[in-house]
Amino acid sequence: ETGVTQSPTHLIKTRGQQVTLRCSSQSGHNTVSWYQQALGQGPQFIFQYYREEENGRGNFPPRFSGLQFPNYSSELNVNALELDDSALYLCASSLEGVRSYEQYFGPGTRLTVT
Amino acid sequence: GQSLEQPSEVTAVEGAIVQINCTYQTSGFYGLSWYQQHDGGAPTFLSYNALDGLEETGRFSSFLSRSDSYGYLLLQELQMKDSASYFCAVRDNTDKLIFGTGTRLQVFP
Repeated sequence: ETGVTQSPTHLIKTRGQQVTLRCSSQSGHNTVSWYQQALGQGPQFIFQYYREEENGRGNFPPRFSGLQFPNYSSELNVNALELDDSALYLCASSLEGVRSYEQYFGPGTRLTVT
Repeated sequence: GQSLEQPSEVTAVEGAIVQINCTYQTSGFYGLSWYQQHDGGAPTFLSYNALDGLEETGRFSSFLSRSDSYGYLLLQELQMKDSASYFCAVRDNTDKLIFGTGTRLQVFP
């Protein structure tokens, strides 16, 4: 069974730039969620994708967008980067339905915006 | 609004028992999960309570009281490797996970 992978591991961008983060779900999982985790805080829900459709969104502006592909891999795109976007970005895959509470997290992408 | 409250830090010695509390206020509730996160690592799932009562998984147990909007994680026979951050997370009525602010557990020899 393949675990959740994310790329890149670390990224440094300049304010105003755009970034794309990638995630491969655990084998067999059809739901992916993205989270932003600031230092010393809990993960904050950005959005969730199920069968290539956005299936819920947290309190993040539209410049945060995503995609899910037929193989259930996923992307998080952030436009017009701001300094406050510096954080660890985590994706997590799960099965929809009864066991959706059990999410499998990837190692994260550490984004630094300067 | 939605909020989950946890103590920010807890310390204990090896072999001891520690309880991490979580109180929540959310727009909907399906259940309470607990996750462990070591420094620099990814959160890993520990346990889940949908119904009131105690769930036991090895050295870890989790409790839920829905009427009190309260739960706790109990860690027994503490080991050094248990030093980590612990997060409670509510599964809300849209099937999303809302995480608490986390409790940093430090285990001393």
